[in-house]
Amino acid sequence: EPEVTQTPSHQVTQMGQEVILRCVPISNHLYFYWYRQILGQKVEFLVSFYNNEISEKSEIFDDQFSVERPDGSNFTLKIRSTKLEDSAMYFCASSRDPSSYEQYFGPGTRLTVT
Amino acid sequence: AQKITQTQPGMFVQEKEAVTLDCTYDTSDQSYGLFWYKQPSSGEMIFLIYQGSYDEQNATEGRYSLNFQKARKSANLVISASQLGDSAMYFCAMREFMDSNYQLIWGAGTKLIIKP
Repeated sequence: EPEVTQTPSHQVTQMGQEVILRCVPISNHLYFYWYRQILGQKVEFLVSFYNNEISEKSEIFDDQFSVERPDGSNFTLKIRSTKLEDSAMYFCASSRDPSSYEQYFGPGTRLTVT
Repeated sequence: AQKITQTQPGMFVQEKEAVTLDCTYDTSDQSYGLFWYKQPSSGEMIFLIYQGSYDEQNATEGRYSLNFQKARKSANLVISASQLGDSAMYFCAMREFMDSNYQLIWGAGTKLIIKP
């Protein structure tokens, strides 16, 4: 069964460093998302991406964040200068098309900023 | 105001019993969808069940069913014949379809522990 994959599973970085979280969505999916979950808290939407551009973004997704689909398979989330409060689990998700209700989630990347 | 409310932070249930996890939602949209996800301790997010606002029948998927009461704006998850492997966090989420809005809005979750 096709699945969303994410790498790395765990990333430790120092405050102020740039990180890139990688996701490979399901191959025939067209709509991509990033969510984050701070430990013990609810999942929060960051951004959705369709047709090579951002469709929606939340207030969390400020200028420190960017997304990119650099090739036909990868979907990346970049945090330019990490802060302690960026420590969280980051989930990538994809859906077949905008009207498809189910979003398939990857296993997540745990980001720890020290 | 919270769009998704899960009032049970934690629940203990005896194995083989049925369990109901509560979820209420708040939206002014006529077209929306409600989701339940399971998050085991390993951290991944597993889709369980979906209910569309226009669906007349309650959704069912194996041992999972969704008790959808539209007038009360509730979408409770029912797990029948609980198993030890059901121990996990359970999240209710909503998607509002107006304005081409595709993000999922999440509740705070319920930690379910199944006792042998």
